[in-house]
Amino acid sequence: NAGVMQNPRHLVRRRGQEARLRCSPMKGHSHVYWYRQLPEEGLKFMVYLQKENIIDESGMPKERFSAEFPKEGPSILRIQQVVRGDSAAYFCASSQATELNTEAFFGQGTRLTVV
Amino acid sequence: DQQVKQNSPSLSVQEGRISILNCDYTNSMFDYFLWYKKYPAEGPTFLISISSIKDKNEDGRFTVFLNKSAKHLSLHIVPSQPGDSAVYFCAAWETGGFKTIFGAGTRLFVKA
Repeated sequence: NAGVMQNPRHLVRRRGQEARLRCSPMKGHSHVYWYRQLPEEGLKFMVYLQKENIIDESGMPKERFSAEFPKEGPSILRIQQVVRGDSAAYFCASSQATELNTEAFFGQGTRLTVV
Repeated sequence: DQQVKQNSPSLSVQEGRISILNCDYTNSMFDYFLWYKKYPAEGPTFLISISSIKDKNEDGRFTVFLNKSAKHLSLHIVPSQPGDSAVYFCAAWETGGFKTIFGAGTRLFVKA
């Protein structure tokens, strides 16, 4: 897991607030993926980004969720007006290649709790 | 629509014995499969993978078997060690696609 940095590790938000989750990919990786893990469930794909481009956001809820990966700086997953159902662990992974493969690495995740 | 299924939520094995974790998939277009291991409060880490052109891949104590006709793969850990206790995720992707699809995971307990 070394190299992919996610912060914060834990985030508590009240209903209706905004949550911002950050992911700095491994050096040299230009592909970033966000996954969500709900309690007792597996990892669900949310979005795949390359620098300044959203390539596939088919797993992201249509409302309140957005993601970006600017030319400079970390990738940001933004959740507006959070609800209790958004409580989950959010994992970021980075890769040099298009698909997650042997060269992909996950961060330690951000655990979001909505109270 | 679960394209990758891990039907056993948990598995308990004695230290030194074999652990067999199973995974089924429904999408015949998947051509690459991976296993990830996850400890609590950490991100998943890549363990072993197999291409659809193979039926077996071995790496130390870990072997993955692929049965394409049955759309089934399994991870064998021999011998199992207490440090192997973790959640194991089966994952698959299709060349040309962007998404890696994960199963729900199997929690392995290896008893000393």
